[in-house]
Amino acid sequence: GAVVSQHPSRVICKSGTSVKIECRSLDFQATTMFWYRQFPKQSLMLMATSNEGSKATYEQGVEKDKFLINHASLTLSTLTVTSAHPEDSSFYICSARNRGGGTEAFFGQGTRLTVV
Amino acid sequence: SQQGEEDPQALSIQEGENATMNCSYKTSINNLQWYRQNSGRGLVHLILIRSNEREKHSGRLRVTLDTSKKSSSLLITASRAADTASYFCAPGSSGSRLTFGEGTQLTVNP
Repeated sequence: GAVVSQHPSRVICKSGTSVKIECRSLDFQATTMFWYRQFPKQSLMLMATSNEGSKATYEQGVEKDKFLINHASLTLSTLTVTSAHPEDSSFYICSARNRGGGTEAFFGQGTRLTVV
Repeated sequence: SQQGEEDPQALSIQEGENATMNCSYKTSINNLQWYRQNSGRGLVHLILIRSNEREKHSGRLRVTLDTSKKSSSLLITASRAADTASYFCAPGSSGSRLTFGEGTQLTVNP
């Protein structure tokens, strides 16, 4: 099946620094990638939808200047958490849809971000 | 897009028993998907059922869809401890954003 690789799986950073999370589709081309965050024992909250070659579409309440999304190629999207604060600590998950069509989304393994 | 509402929020059963969880949604859909999330991991796609289908099977999974009631159910037969996870439904249309409700937390006790 299709594989989405997310890196890193865990990261600890200091307040005020920026962190980049990568999401790669390994064996398919993804025109659309989704970024979610999840707090403990809560559901996934969709943050933004990124389309290859165009600007990401952010959900209401998500600061686009804080969560920078780049989808520069059909196999890579990145999420950069800028000027991270402890409240940004969360589990971030990406998913991708196959360019070849279909509704199914393939998810990365997630990134546990801890801001100290 | 719309998110489904899973019920119950939590379900605890013994190994070997069947587990049934339900999903309700509000507006018309083209399809409905079920996903599983193990603790601290990403989601895994389980099964997709289209709006013109009433029932679908995949291994120990059985999904039903009642578009008149705007509801779906996921049945896991002969459950195993490894089935312990959160289960989410995602009602939608082709190309729609995928959003999720609170999910059903299933615990299968050995």
